[in-house]
Amino acid sequence: NAGVMQNPRHLVRRRGQEARLRCSPMKGHSHVYWYRQLPEEGLKFMVYLQKENIIDESGMPKERFSAEFPKEGPSILRIQQVVRGDSAAYFCASSPPGQIKEAFFGQGTRLTVV
Amino acid sequence: AQRVTQPEKLLSVFKGAPVELKCNYSYSGSPELFWYVQYSRQRLQLLLRHISRESIKGFTADLNKGETSFHLKKPFAQEEDSAMYYCALSGSGSARQLTFGSGTQLTVLP
Repeated sequence: NAGVMQNPRHLVRRRGQEARLRCSPMKGHSHVYWYRQLPEEGLKFMVYLQKENIIDESGMPKERFSAEFPKEGPSILRIQQVVRGDSAAYFCASSPPGQIKEAFFGQGTRLTVV
Repeated sequence: AQRVTQPEKLLSVFKGAPVELKCNYSYSGSPELFWYVQYSRQRLQLLLRHISRESIKGFTADLNKGETSFHLKKPFAQEEDSAMYYCALSGSGSARQLTFGSGTQLTVLP
């Protein structure tokens, strides 16, 4: 099991462009979580998804940010019209179905907006 | 609302000395508490959880509901323990997401 895979590891975007971050959960995991880590801060929850459903998006900014976890393929975190303040490390975690209390993390995508 | 506080951003101890990383939480229900560790250039990984009552790499953590604390302790620190440590809380019911503290960077000096 390769673990949670995130790509790209590093992403540079100019202001106004779109950023797409991908997360492939561990095999057998149907729950995906996205977290954002701003410089000098801890991880902040953004969104929790199951296959084809958004379960909790209470941590997502209301505009420009969206997430999906399709039936087939990786989970995508999409940021439209990026701004400098979006520069951060974005971490994905996955967990198996059932009594989910442990999440396995990917190595993160470091987004830099120039 | 759930909240996790790690009051120390940086903590340095000498090899062989005891170490305690503090964590306090705020949650109205019955939380589950975790410690995650991130070694240099590696992904965040689970160190231990309170329900397991286990000792991992010599670390232990006891949930104190009266003080709403979940401090991480090790009696004799090793240089390889140097890492970023995050305390995290998972709520009950649908609140499955983890709420993280801001982390403590532990440096064990030779």
